[in-house]
Order: sequence, then C-alpha cells, then structure tokens
Amino acid sequence: SAVISQKPSRDICQRGTSLTIQCQVDSQVTMMFWYRQQPGQSLTLIATANQGSEATYESGFVIDKFPISRPNLTFSTLTVSNMSPEDSSIYLCSVVRRGGDIQYFGAGTRLSVL
Amino acid sequence: TQLLEQSPQFLSIQEGENLTVYCNSSSVFSSLQWYRQEPGEGPVLLVTVVTGGEVKKLKRLTFQFGDARKDSSLHITAAQPGDTGLYLCAGDHTGTASKLTFGTGTRLQVTL
Repeated sequence: SAVISQKPSRDICQRGTSLTIQCQVDSQVTMMFWYRQQPGQSLTLIATANQGSEATYESGFVIDKFPISRPNLTFSTLTVSNMSPEDSSIYLCSVVRRGGDIQYFGAGTRLSVL
Repeated sequence: TQLLEQSPQFLSIQEGENLTVYCNSSSVFSSLQWYRQEPGEGPVLLVTVVTGGEVKKLKRLTFQFGDARKDSSLHITAAQPGDTGLYLCAGDHTGTASKLTFGTGTRLQVTL
C-alpha cells in the first residue's frame, strides 16, 4: 500500500477565495490523480497530475478553475479557484505505485464554501 | 463517459442478513475493482477481479465478475455493523489503473 497525507483535512472558505490542497505520498509513485466527491455521491475524476508538465483534465474541468502542480514523484497540489458554494465537496488524491495496478486514496479534504 | 450503474443505491438491513450489490455496464473492462468508503475516509480497495466468471471470496464477502466482463456483484453473508459504508465498483479499461470509471455507489447501513 501507500501512505498518503492530504492537507487540510477540512476547511470552510468564503465565496470568491481559493484553497490549495496538498497530497504527499511516502514513496515514489508513477501516477497521481485528483477526484471530486459531492456529498453522498460517487467519485468524479478531475485530472491526472503529470510530473513536470501540465495536468490532463477530464471533460468539464479546466485548468483555470482547478490548477494542479506536481513538482516531483511524491507531491501534488490541487487549487480550487474563485470558489462558489457549488464547489463544496470532498476532494480526494489517489496514487498508483510504480509497477502497480491499484489506486490508493488519501482521506480527502472536506471543503465547504459559504 | 462509460457509466457503471450500481443497485441498489441504498440498503438498510439488520445484522445477520445477507445482501447483494450489483454493478452493471455496457462496456467491457480489463478488470473491475470494489472499494469500501467509510465516513471521513477515502475509498479502500477490497478486491480486484480480472477474469470473466471469476469468483473471489474475502471472509464474508463474495465478489463475482461477469463472464463478459461487463458486470460484477458483491454478496455479503451475515452482515455486521462494521460492514456499514459506501460500496463503490470501479472499472478499469487500461489494465494499469490509470483510468478508473467509478460506479454510482451503494450506501449500506447495518443495524443491530
């Protein structure tokens, strides 16, 4: 398995502000992903975080709204920009280890936007 | 978007009862994974099924992959309160878990 630390675990933010979520893994991983999970719902993939290059975004998600960084093999950030109440969700980081075929998830960041 | 429909959406049962959760798609997957997510936590992998018709058992949980690799089921025998959580199936087209499609989810509550 992989030990994944996500920070913050939860936050309450004001409309119009931005929040950066960090994902730190205890070992080098090949792939890192960011998901959104709205209350009581399933997971929707936002993007794949690529090391040293721009993230690959899924349909409906754009870089201006969800900028992602991945400076190395163990760390990534997701920023939720210009937040509105509709952005209230759980944001989850997941990783795949080198040679593996399993995604491991962090505990998530619970975001409430007022 | 390749949809994975799970049924039922919600299930509330008493301890000791049996239940089955279904995960259906029109797409063929190279593998299918089942996760359980408890409140305040991320999803945790329970099992991966790869071969059509495959059956895997994990204590009281039995997982089956359809012959055509388009559907799967999870059967829990003698449910316990510790089984409470959100059960998610996830289909993998790539074989490397690089692009998972998650199911709609089944929320299970087991009461005493």
